[in-house]
Amino acid sequence: EVQVAESGGGLVQPGWSLRLSCAASGFTFSNYWMHWVRQAPGKGLVWVSRINSDGSSTDYADSVKGRFTISRDNAKNTLYLQMNSLRAEDTAVYYCARPILGLSAFDIWGQGTMVTVSS
Amino acid sequence: DIVMTQSPDSLAVSLGERATINCKSSQSVLYSSNNKNYLAWYQQKPGQFPKLLIYWASTRESGVPDRFSGSGSGTDFTLTISGLQAEDVAVYYCQQYYSTPYSFGQGTKLEI
Repeated sequence: EVQVAESGGGLVQPGWSLRLSCAASGFTFSNYWMHWVRQAPGKGLVWVSRINSDGSSTDYADSVKGRFTISRDNAKNTLYLQMNSLRAEDTAVYYCARPILGLSAFDIWGQGTMVTVSS
Repeated sequence: DIVMTQSPDSLAVSLGERATINCKSSQSVLYSSNNKNYLAWYQQKPGQFPKLLIYWASTRESGVPDRFSGSGSGTDFTLTISGLQAEDVAVYYCQQYYSTPYSFGQGTKLEI
């Protein structure tokens, strides 16, 4: 079965760091660009970041640029999001999303991992 | 950056009737070289992750019932749900994947 599963969320204080992981299975992970999308409680979906298939190219939303780093380990079929200098406004469910091959429409989503930034 | 605006924010439709959700992009998401609209629609039920319904503005994802249809081009798009069923209660989002930062509409809450 094709699936992705996020982990690593939790409660942290403002300014702290957190690393999210996304374990992929059931498909050839190294063929796909991968994305992170987040959703604040009761709010809409916001695209966060993407990484190309070999990890050599990345893009970020302005709101996280310079604080978050996306990476991947194709040998471990795992996507990461290193989040530094966390702010209250980063509080959200973070989804790992796989796009349809060649597109950036997301056909596979994980269940999400909750990140709460609060003192 | 491309801004996606959906209308209405919420709507109530009777069972068996038609629901229409609109999505407007601040600039065209039609790529001239392949004549494709880089526009997707998602359904998100409470407590669940989003589900892809439609991509290329009008191509239904595998397994999506044919009562869901997408139309439009350029900057104006529509998701139509014909013969509304109780299980269609959800929030619906449009998304442009024409250029980064990829952006979603604010969502439309569909109720019975």
